Amino acid sequence: DTGVSQNPRHKITKRGQNVTFRCDPISEHNRLYWYRQTLGQGPEFLTYFQNEAQLEKSRLLSDRFSAERPKGSFSTLEIQRTEQGDSAMYLCASSLDRDRGHGYTFGSGTRLTVV
Amino acid sequence: AQSVSQHNHHVILSEAASLELGCNYSYGGTVNLFWYVQYPGQHLQLLLKYFSGDPLVKGIKGFEAEFIKSKFSFNLRKPSVQWSDTAEYFCAVNANQAGTALIFGKGTTLSVSS
Repeated sequence: DTGVSQNPRHKITKRGQNVTFRCDPISEHNRLYWYRQTLGQGPEFLTYFQNEAQLEKSRLLSDRFSAERPKGSFSTLEIQRTEQGDSAMYLCASSLDRDRGHGYTFGSGTRLTVV
Repeated sequence: AQSVSQHNHHVILSEAASLELGCNYSYGGTVNLFWYVQYPGQHLQLLLKYFSGDPLVKGIKGFEAEFIKSKFSFNLRKPSVQWSDTAEYFCAVNANQAGTALIFGKGTTLSVSS
């Protein structure tokens, strides 16, 4: 297993366009998290899944954002009608629920630039 | 709601100097505490963690952190830094309940000159 994989690594899009990112977690991990990180800030929690169920969403996750995890494997994060303020690094992480003290494994992220 | 405060935004040290990065959290219940490191151009990596037991925890690369419950603190230390420790360091906390999300501090940038 090669860890948490995120695609694409970089995405440049025009304002108003829709974008979709993909995250493939470590195969045996049942929890999957999405974070957003902007320059000079720590990662900000967006949402998380346990298997295919989306259990928590941050108030940061506006109606333009939607995440799915069909079949409890990979996950997608879609941003509709992108705005310049959406420019950030989008991070995915995964963990095992019984290992709540063990932290997460993060992917390398998808850097979104909205022009 | 949980929150994490990292006191130092940017720390500049010479090689062999000692390091201490401050981290305080706000949460009334039992917590798990973490330090993550992000080297330039790389993804976040777990440096060390605390979830129970000895409040002094040792991590990779000679780092350690001490959990002081009465002060709601989890400061990161290293006796002698190296140039390769140049990175961004994030303190994080989550409630000791299965599935609760990690909340991160804003990070501290450490620059070590050789």
